[in-house]
Amino acid sequence: DAKTTQPPSMDCAEGRAANLPCNHSTISGNEYVYWYRQIHSQGPQYIIHGLKNNETNEMASLIITEDRKSSTLILPHATLRDTAVYYCIVRVRFGGSNYKLTFGKGTLLTVNP
Amino acid sequence: DAGITQSPRHKVTETGTPVTLRCHQTENHRYMYWYRQDPGHGLRLIHYSYGVKDTDKGEVSDGYSVSRSKTEDFLLTLESATSSQTSVYFCAISDMATASEQYFGPGTRLTVT
Repeated sequence: DAKTTQPPSMDCAEGRAANLPCNHSTISGNEYVYWYRQIHSQGPQYIIHGLKNNETNEMASLIITEDRKSSTLILPHATLRDTAVYYCIVRVRFGGSNYKLTFGKGTLLTVNP
Repeated sequence: DAGITQSPRHKVTETGTPVTLRCHQTENHRYMYWYRQDPGHGLRLIHYSYGVKDTDKGEVSDGYSVSRSKTEDFLLTLESATSSQTSVYFCAISDMATASEQYFGPGTRLTVT
């Protein structure tokens, strides 16, 4: 199973870009990388996912290295409301054709005023 | 936000009593999931459903059962609650078998005394 490694915590100043790294060196060639976040006491929230091309949506950008062994989630202009635990996830196949998302410990991003 | 509600939001119960948690969705998504979240363990999949009356076990299913008699409702039952089942329980939905984009409910905090 592909696993991910993230720093346990990061700080960012409000208004600046937050760059959250993730290593997934054992990812297989056809597996996507997913990012979720969890604001305190709330359910996780889907942010973005990608395979090998960079992706951007209204929330964030995802940069995946050419060898696909790592990726970076970018919040271009972090706000205090972006303080949350960010999870980098590689989907795991189980039970035949079913998949699950395995949430690790993630990175606690604290956005400071 | 996706239309997912969980009930109750908080519950305190005694060891040995049965408990049922309800997840209700208004999105008509096919796939539904139950997770538990505990400090130091992240989110762990308990059971999931891939259609009405179609359910399967996740990674921590012992002591839990589920039922899905209609698309919108997914019930999680603790037949005889134990203190180790004290946790925050999240329901999630997805319209994809790939489990990529999941939308989570607000969670139920269960305390077993």
